[in-house]
Amino acid sequence: DTAVSQTPKYLVTQMGNDKSIKCEQNLGHDTMYWYKQDSKKFLKIMFSYNNKELIINETVPNRFSPKSPDKAHLNLHINSLELGDSAVYFCASSQEWQGTDTQYFGPGTRLTVL
Amino acid sequence: AQTVTQSQPEMSVQEAETVTLSCTYDTSESDYYLFWYKQPPSRQMILVIRQEAYKQQNATENRFSVNFQKAAKSFSLKISDSQLGDAAMYFCARSGAGSYQLTFGKGTKLSVIP
Repeated sequence: DTAVSQTPKYLVTQMGNDKSIKCEQNLGHDTMYWYKQDSKKFLKIMFSYNNKELIINETVPNRFSPKSPDKAHLNLHINSLELGDSAVYFCASSQEWQGTDTQYFGPGTRLTVL
Repeated sequence: AQTVTQSQPEMSVQEAETVTLSCTYDTSESDYYLFWYKQPPSRQMILVIRQEAYKQQNATENRFSVNFQKAAKSFSLKISDSQLGDAAMYFCARSGAGSYQLTFGKGTKLSVIP
């Protein structure tokens, strides 16, 4: 029983393409997140949604658009992919949006832009 | 910016020995939460241990324990009886009671020598 799942695990694509990464959690959590881990392993928050509403949007290019069709899903769509978008993208979830709650992470999606 | 600093990019430990990973952080909040996450080669981010800042007692989870020094803003992780499966990147992270995001350190790569 996977708590937080992401698809695909690997994504290789050409510059300029549009791609999506899907995330689903079966923990019944209200809040979901997207993080980016760069080549130096540094993890940084990109977006957070609470009950399908955006509550964090860090300094992320508007080519990145999160979409939350329901509380259990938070998908990440990326337009006009660039070389610098190559990274591992992690989805996470927590019970509530406050910092008291532990975040549980998905397995990550390694995106490679050629 | 409120930061989390891990001063040891890499560490190694002999199997069955004890190792301590360092973490310091910066915060202006009085109530916050601290975490250690483990990222093995599989890429999965796994919660190791969590500490609430209002608790004076150091958290422990089996072979993992922390040394939380609130005044010094220090949060080190001690791994006892190290096992080969402990080899991974370890990330220290902080969140605030009123904020909704984790701020991560840059990680420490731990190698376990048989």
